[in-house]
Amino acid sequence: GDSVTQMEGPVTLSEEAFLTINCTYTATGYPSLFWYVQYPGEGLQLLLKATKADDKGSNKGFEATYRKETTSFHLEKGSVQVSDSAVYFCALSDLGGGSNYKLTFGKGTLLTVNP
Amino acid sequence: EAQVTQNPRYLITVTGKKLTVTCSQNMNHEYMSWYRQDPGLGLRQIYYSMNVEVTDKGDVPEGYKVSRKEKRNFPLILESPSPNQTSLYFCASSLGGFQPQHFGDGTRLSIL
Repeated sequence: GDSVTQMEGPVTLSEEAFLTINCTYTATGYPSLFWYVQYPGEGLQLLLKATKADDKGSNKGFEATYRKETTSFHLEKGSVQVSDSAVYFCALSDLGGGSNYKLTFGKGTLLTVNP
Repeated sequence: EAQVTQNPRYLITVTGKKLTVTCSQNMNHEYMSWYRQDPGLGLRQIYYSMNVEVTDKGDVPEGYKVSRKEKRNFPLILESPSPNQTSLYFCASSLGGFQPQHFGDGTRLSIL
């Protein structure tokens, strides 16, 4: 079945540091890939997405490129801010049994950015 | 404002006492789904619905029921809750296909 593996952290950085959170996946089909972010006490919000190989998703300074050859979708940001402190989830959406476009999530990475 | 609304946000209850968590979306989405989030396990799908009156099991459906009588609502029912159902629950909806899912703010259930 489908699976997502992401570095579990926690990750602690100083403000303006470079961020990388690794994510690799296995899928039976040709999935769409997502990064979701969860701020404390809130639900998940879509951060960025990519739907085909070599697509680059970007939003709020975050980027991730869909690499089919390495089955990876690593999240990067050049200069993190305190407000980026949150849990980040890598996820894929594949056509499961029947017509279930379910999301398969990694376990999440807690990012803490210190001033 | 486009949103997915869950109620209640927090609930502490006892084993065996039936409960319902409501979920409503105002985006006219076809697809709705329930997930539970547990430490170290990420989010796992409980049930999903492709449209009105069409529901099916996800990865962890045991102990849960759902219904989809209207497009906007997708309640999660625990007929006889047990402590292993203590968790953080999220409802999500999307247009379907590979479109991003929109999540509610979550419901934290504690079953004593």
